[in-house]
This record gives sequence, structure tokens and C-alpha cells, in this order.
Amino acid sequence: DSGVTQTPKHLITATGQRVTLRCSPRSGDLSVYWYQQSLDQGLQFLIQYYNGEERAKGNILERFSAQQFPDLHSELNLSSLELGDSALYFCASSAWLDRANEQFFGPGTRLTVL
Amino acid sequence: AQKITQTQPGMFVQEKEAVTLDCTYDTSDQSYGLFWYKQPSSGEMIFLIYQGSYDEQNATEGRYSLNFQKARKSANLVISASQLGDSAMYFCAMVLRDYGQNFVFGPGTRLSVLP
Repeated sequence: DSGVTQTPKHLITATGQRVTLRCSPRSGDLSVYWYQQSLDQGLQFLIQYYNGEERAKGNILERFSAQQFPDLHSELNLSSLELGDSALYFCASSAWLDRANEQFFGPGTRLTVL
Repeated sequence: AQKITQTQPGMFVQEKEAVTLDCTYDTSDQSYGLFWYKQPSSGEMIFLIYQGSYDEQNATEGRYSLNFQKARKSANLVISASQLGDSAMYFCAMVLRDYGQNFVFGPGTRLSVLP
């Protein structure tokens, strides 16, 4: 158990809908990362937050947004969902901004868009 | 553009033998980090080992070692004394510090350990 929690574990929804994925980092970790893993795109870094502020952006679509709250939990919002958004979404956390080598992954949320 | 290449989609190794998983990377940045992650069939991502671009010595973590050859831009993972539990997908990844903490992952290598 990495100490990072993600909810829900599974999510099934329809095209055009909007969903919110939630991540709680390990106790004391200030940095949160979001990743998408799909069969055709592989593992992709989406976005990083540190202590409430966005710090790095990867291949995140404009239909997707994220935020980190004062209690350090983070949410990833996916809107106007398409079939291709079906994927495993991981959240990871690390203690500091520049300690990516110590990031711990959550179990993931499997999103299925029908 | 930054890129990670893992040329071995699948590998087999006999239990108790050593195996090398290849990873080459492409970046013009001077400051970067290289990672290996393991993803068992259960789906979770497990951090294995890290090498910074300025680290002079190869990283080691238990049975895992990273063969870092900067001039050749390679960061191969060596697993010694393979165990059945090592069967999994292995991902090589790079973090580019000049652009925040932007990560790039390779396509992965599926390792199967045979009894």
C-alpha cells in the first residue's frame, strides 16, 4: 500500500458526460501528479500540482482540468468524454516539488466510456 | 522532442538468472532523471530505481541496478537473480527538470520469468 488513495476504483459512463476523479496523497506529500494509461497511447503524464499550484503540464487535453485543494487532495475533471478517454488514470504523490524520484502511485481509477 | 525507446516488447528469463531490459532516451536537456517502474498484472505502478543525469555512479536498489551510459543515452535495467514475482510490465521513464517535472514514458517491456 503506497498510502495514495484514489476514488472511485472503477467508473463507467457515456460519451459526452463529465466525471471527477479524486486523489488523496500520502500524508505530508505536497506534490501530486496525474497520469493516463491507455492501450494506444501508453503511459502519459498529464499534470503536476505542488501545494495547490500547477507546476507542470504534459499531454493534458483542454477538456480535462485538475486542481489541488488546501487539504492537498486533488481532483481530475474530465468533460465531454469520448470513447478514447477510456483508460486507467493514476495519481502519484511526492513530498517535494523536485523529488519526483520519490513519487508513490495510487491504485488508479479505471474509466470506461461507452 | 524528448522520447524514450524500449525496443523489447517482451522478454523471457529463467528463474534465478539475470536479465537486462533496454532503454534509450533522447533529450537535449542536460538536467534530467531516469526511472524504472514495474507494473504487475494487478495494475499498480511500483517505483524501482532512479538515476540522475549528474550522478556519476550507477544506481542500485537491491536486485535492481541501472546501467547508465550517458554518452550512448542508455539506461538499461538489470535484474539479478530473477524471481517468479518479477513477471510484469517494466517502464522506463524520464523526467525533464527544465520544464517543471514533465515526464515521458517508454512503451514498456513485458518480462516473463520461467520456472
